[in-house]
Amino acid sequence: AQSVSQHNHHVILSEAASLELGCNYSYGGTVNLFWYVQYPGQHLQLLLKYFSGDPLVKGIKGFEAEFIKSKFSFNLRKPSVQWSDTAEYFCAVNAANFGNEKLTFGTGTRLTIIP
Amino acid sequence: DAGVIQSPRHEVTEMGQEVTLRCKPISGHDYLFWYRQTMMRGLELLIYFNNNVPIDDSGMPEDRFSAKMPNASFSTLKIQPSEPRDSAVYFCASVGNRGDTEAFFGQGTRLTVV
Repeated sequence: AQSVSQHNHHVILSEAASLELGCNYSYGGTVNLFWYVQYPGQHLQLLLKYFSGDPLVKGIKGFEAEFIKSKFSFNLRKPSVQWSDTAEYFCAVNAANFGNEKLTFGTGTRLTIIP
Repeated sequence: DAGVIQSPRHEVTEMGQEVTLRCKPISGHDYLFWYRQTMMRGLELLIYFNNNVPIDDSGMPEDRFSAKMPNASFSTLKIQPSEPRDSAVYFCASVGNRGDTEAFFGQGTRLTVV
């Protein structure tokens, strides 16, 4: 079975700072990788995804993530954060032959941006 | 489409009472998932359905939990009897078909058992 680790539980940054949130997964086969965002009081929304091809994927709102297969990592980055990026961020993985079924989520990283 | 619709948004109940959470997936979607979110354990998959049939319920914590999907447009998650440790936010999500690349989540039901 797959598992996901997000080591940063709570990150606090000032506006315009650069962001990197860690995500590591464990699974023996080919995986699909996702980052979801949950703004305060709202539902989860897809930020970006990696299925195959270029390991550097770009998502909405200036976010990007890089899949490094050798490190089993899929870290989320943004060069300059905004106050509106305050949210909880979830990394998720599933086995590649399952499409979007059975997503396994990490425990999430709460991001707080200070104006 | 209005997206995935869950009801109620908030539920406060006393220990021992039966609780029923409801979900309406996006029309035409083949897959429906129930997740539970807590501070300690994050997002856990409880059960998922494909074309109304339960495929994997290994995440259902106890026999007190049950889920049904009587038709393509409706699912319920029932807890009977409820306990304080069941307090969490319960999310429903739907996916179009096996090759789709995005799960759409509902707004969640915040359950508090006192």
